[in-house]
Amino acid sequence: AQKVTQAQTEISVVEKEDVTLDCVYETRDTTYYLFWYKQPPSGELVFLIRRNSFDEQNEISGRYSWNFQKSTSSFNFTITASQVVDSAVYFCALSDTNNDYKLSFGAGTTVTVRA
Amino acid sequence: AAGVIQSPRHLIKEKRETATLKCYPIPRHDTVYWYQQGPGQDPQFLISFYEKMQSDKGSIPDRFSAQQFSDYHSELNMSSLELGDSALYFCASSEFQDRDSGANVLTFGAGSRLTVL
Repeated sequence: AQKVTQAQTEISVVEKEDVTLDCVYETRDTTYYLFWYKQPPSGELVFLIRRNSFDEQNEISGRYSWNFQKSTSSFNFTITASQVVDSAVYFCALSDTNNDYKLSFGAGTTVTVRA
Repeated sequence: AAGVIQSPRHLIKEKRETATLKCYPIPRHDTVYWYQQGPGQDPQFLISFYEKMQSDKGSIPDRFSAQQFSDYHSELNMSSLELGDSALYFCASSEFQDRDSGANVLTFGAGSRLTVL
């Protein structure tokens, strides 16, 4: 069974602080895909990144960076120098390659960035 | 670039009424997924279709049904609505042939917010 755990329910930071969101996953698949999605107050789900299980290179995109560690089944997400516009709910998700690639989401972490 | 289109964006219904949500996937996408997100919850998978056939089923109530049509758009029909059906309903689409290449990414629509009074 697929499971994604985001232990942090809410994180509040002051602008320009860094914030790291934890994501731990469980799967029996040898090939799988991990995702992060952002859900701003307007409600839409915005795709941020996809990582496949064979690619453990960390990735940086602007102020966003991701740390994938297969040994600990973690796929953490860091926002550097946070801004008010980063305030949103962030979901980590795992793709079930044996069942139509549907996504299983974590419970989400609400990030509030205060000016 | 074309995105996933969902309609209506907002819908208000009374208990025991019926509601239909529509989803138009990205052109050439052959797989459609429906998710339900209750208040303060994460999106929960309801059902998916590939090439107009149901391909997987999640925690979808028997009162709900869905189908994918020949033009690949999909409709989610909800009958005997209950207060607990109030949620944001997302449709997502993907292209089957992208799966093996690892390019498969579900693209989500903006969601349809259903309020049951």
